[in-house]
This record gives sequence, structure tokens and C-alpha cells, in this order.
Amino acid sequence: SQTIHQWPATLVQPVGSPLSLECTVEGTSNPNLYWYRQAAGRGLQLLFYSVGIGQISSEVPQNLSASRPQDRQFILSSKKLLLSDSGFYLCAWRISGANVLTFGAGSRLTVL
Amino acid sequence: AQSVTQLGSHVSVSEGALVLLRCNYSSSVPPYLFWYVQYPNQGLQLLLKYTTGATLVKGINGFEAEFKKSETSFHLTKPSAHMSDAAEYFCAVTREYGNKLVFGAGTILRVKS
Repeated sequence: SQTIHQWPATLVQPVGSPLSLECTVEGTSNPNLYWYRQAAGRGLQLLFYSVGIGQISSEVPQNLSASRPQDRQFILSSKKLLLSDSGFYLCAWRISGANVLTFGAGSRLTVL
Repeated sequence: AQSVTQLGSHVSVSEGALVLLRCNYSSSVPPYLFWYVQYPNQGLQLLLKYTTGATLVKGINGFEAEFKKSETSFHLTKPSAHMSDAAEYFCAVTREYGNKLVFGAGTILRVKS
């Protein structure tokens, strides 16, 4: 069966520090991968998605970047965090051509 | 472009009462519609989906939703609320073979004893 892992689960970082959140999927090949951010009262905002290795689509101009170095690995990064980067980050995957997204447990980032 | 509007950021019902969470969508092509539930500090879990066929779809935990094209709506209902239903609920839309799922702002459901 397929599983999705995100880590770390919680992270407290100072302003200006770097960020790396990792997401991996097991039990499938060539998934579509997604990073969403959930800020209080603002629903889910799609940040990035990827349909293959090295292929990244950015939805919102921001302080973050994403990379897909391997088929089932999706990384969210920042060189210098801002206060506004605080939130709950969710990774999700789906089989290409299918419609249902499966989400990871999320990573809560607090920038102080 | 597609969008979703969820009416009511907070809904409160008594245990045993009807649950009705409203969702309206905008789409220039036939939509695929979803409801997800999120418990505190967890990821999202799929409740139900509509793609094609029967417009009344049943999901997990006794929830169901009806796709009404004329009203561009996909409201979520449950006949009798349970305390364990307290969570945040998200409506979402995509299109066939679409790469992106667009979410509404979410509705927090509170169940009173």
C-alpha cells in the first residue's frame, strides 16, 4: 500500500534562518506531488506541484522554493525565513491521471 | 479558472442534529468535486467525491453530498451529528485530468452536547 511521510512534524525557526521540509511517498511510481500551506483562517494555498523529477510548477510568488531530486521525494526550502512563512505545510500525492489527493500528516512551522 | 466558496467559516450544531456545510463552485468545465475533513494538527482525509454519474454521493462516517449543476453547489450533509464529527471541512474542485485541486477556505464544525 502507498504511504506518505513528512518531516519534521514541528519546527520553530528564527527569522532569516533556512528551511527544509521533506516529503516522501512509498509504494507508487511517478506520482504527482504537491505542497500546500495552511495559514489560520485562510484555507489551503497550493504552493508548488510536480509531475516528474526536476519538474516544478510554482503557483504563488514567494520566499519558498521546491525541488524533486528523486521520483518520490519532494522538498520545500527557503534560504531566509520570514515571519509570514509560519503555517501548516501539507504534502500530498496522487497517481497521474487520477483525481484523489492523499495528504501527509503535515509540518507545523513557526517562525519567530 | 476554478474556485470554491464555502459559506460560513464556523458552523455549530447540537449532537444529533442535521449537519449542513455549504459549498459553491465556479468552473468553466465539468467539475470534479471533493470534501475533505481535517482533525486538529493532522493532514486531510477524503470524505467523498463526485466525478461523473450519480449526483448524490455517499462518503465515510455517514456523510453525503449532492452535486447540483443548476445551483453550482456541492453541499455536505449528515442526518445526525456526532461529537466525533467536530473538525474542519474543506470543499475542493478540479477538472478531469486536471493537475491542481483548488480548495475552499474551510468550515469549522463544532458539535455541542
